[in-house]
Amino acid sequence: DIQMTQSPSSLSASVGDRVTITCRASQGIRNDLAWYQQKPGKAPKRLIYAASSLQSGVPSRFSGSGSGTEFTLTISSLQPEDFATYYCLQHNSYRLTFGGGTKVEIK
Amino acid sequence: EVQLLESGGGLVQPGGSLRLSCAASEFIFTNFGMAWVRQAPGKGLEWVSVVSASGGTTFYADSVKGRLTISRDNSKNTVYLQMNSLRAEDTAVYYCAKLGWLQDIDYWGQGTLVAVSS
Repeated sequence: DIQMTQSPSSLSASVGDRVTITCRASQGIRNDLAWYQQKPGKAPKRLIYAASSLQSGVPSRFSGSGSGTEFTLTISSLQPEDFATYYCLQHNSYRLTFGGGTKVEIK
Repeated sequence: EVQLLESGGGLVQPGGSLRLSCAASEFIFTNFGMAWVRQAPGKGLEWVSVVSASGGTTFYADSVKGRLTISRDNSKNTVYLQMNSLRAEDTAVYYCAKLGWLQDIDYWGQGTLVAVSS
C-alpha cells in the first residue's frame, strides 16, 4: 500500500500568517492527491483536488502544489475560520490512504 | 446538493455484528464508486473500504478484511457496511463517502458512531 507522511502533525500560527503543510507519498502518485479540512465534530470538506485544483466555493487563500511524491497545501493568510485539522488523501489506487493530519492551532 | 445519510450505528458488544446503511441522493448513484472511512476518537481518518459503481469490485483495508463487507443496492441508492466480529478497536465514527470522477472523495456523510464495548 502507498503510505502518506504528513508534516507537521501540529502547528501554532497567528491570523495573517502563511502556513504550509506537506505530504510525501511512499511512491509516485502523479497528481492523485486531495486535501481536506475537518473541524471538530464535523465531516471533512474537500479543499483541493488533483493536487492543485481549488474546490468550488473554497477561498483563494488555499492553494495546492506538487506531483509525484511531494505535495504541499498553503494557506496564504490564515483566517480565524481556518483553525482546523487538515488531511491529505492519495487516490492513485482504490486502496486510498490518508496522511496523519495536521492540526492548525491559534498561537 | 449531494446528500449522504448514514444510519445503523450504535453500541455493540465485542464479537457482535452491526450493519451500517448510507442513503444517497441528488446525484446519479450508479455512476460513482462509494467508500467508508472511519475515525476513532481523537484520531485521524482511516480508509475502510471501497465499492465500484457497479458493485462488482470491492477493496478493504487490511485491518478489516474478512470481518467487514461493503455492498450496494443500486435500485435503492444505498451502500452498506456489514460489520462482523467487531473489536474494541473498531470503535469510531464511520463516514459514508462518494468518490468523484478522479476517484478521490468529493462528498461525505455526517457520520455514524459505532462503539464496541462490553
